[in-house]
Amino acid sequence: AQSVTQLGSHVSVSEGALVLLRCNYSSSVPPYLFWYVQYPNQGLQLLLKYTSAATLVKGINGFEAEFKKSETSFHLTKPSAHMSDAAEYFCAVRPQGGKLIFGQGTELSVKP
Amino acid sequence: DAMVIQNPRYQVTQFGKPVTLSCSQTLNHNVMYWYQQKSSQAPKLLFHYYDKDFNNEADTPDNFQSRRPNTSFCFLDIRSPGLGDAAMYLCATSGIQGLDTQYFGPGTRLTVL
Repeated sequence: AQSVTQLGSHVSVSEGALVLLRCNYSSSVPPYLFWYVQYPNQGLQLLLKYTSAATLVKGINGFEAEFKKSETSFHLTKPSAHMSDAAEYFCAVRPQGGKLIFGQGTELSVKP
Repeated sequence: DAMVIQNPRYQVTQFGKPVTLSCSQTLNHNVMYWYQQKSSQAPKLLFHYYDKDFNNEADTPDNFQSRRPNTSFCFLDIRSPGLGDAAMYLCATSGIQGLDTQYFGPGTRLTVL
């Protein structure tokens, strides 16, 4: 069965520092991959998705993710964290023809 | 703006008292989903509709039901809420293609007293 693993349930960075949120998936066939962000008491908002057109995917709010098939990874990065980036981040995989499978989430804290 | 709307945003009910949560969409998407999300956990899919075709997840309790009277609206009915049903309930919609994004509503926070 497909699965998604997010390393680190909580990540803390200083404002202006690099943000790196890790996501690994299990699949023999590259699935569709997504990153969502959830602010407190809100629904999920799509940050970016992997379409197989390019391995480096740029999303909203300055985030990007790189698909690495050899590592089965889809890590999310942002060069410089902002206070407003503090939220829960979910990596999700959708096997072709299947349902969306979420990782357990990573809570990002940004220190002033 | 096209969007997914959920009402109410906060719902308080009593143990065992039926409750209905509402979702509407202006995206004209074929597929609508209901997720349950408990604190500090990932969303858990309860069921989804592909047009009028209802698809229940195997581990969704019978206490949870759903109705989709038309393309735009979908309802989640909890027949006899228990304390363990307190959670955020998220509605989402998507097109039918595998790469289609799921668009989420803001959620309804359910409290069971």
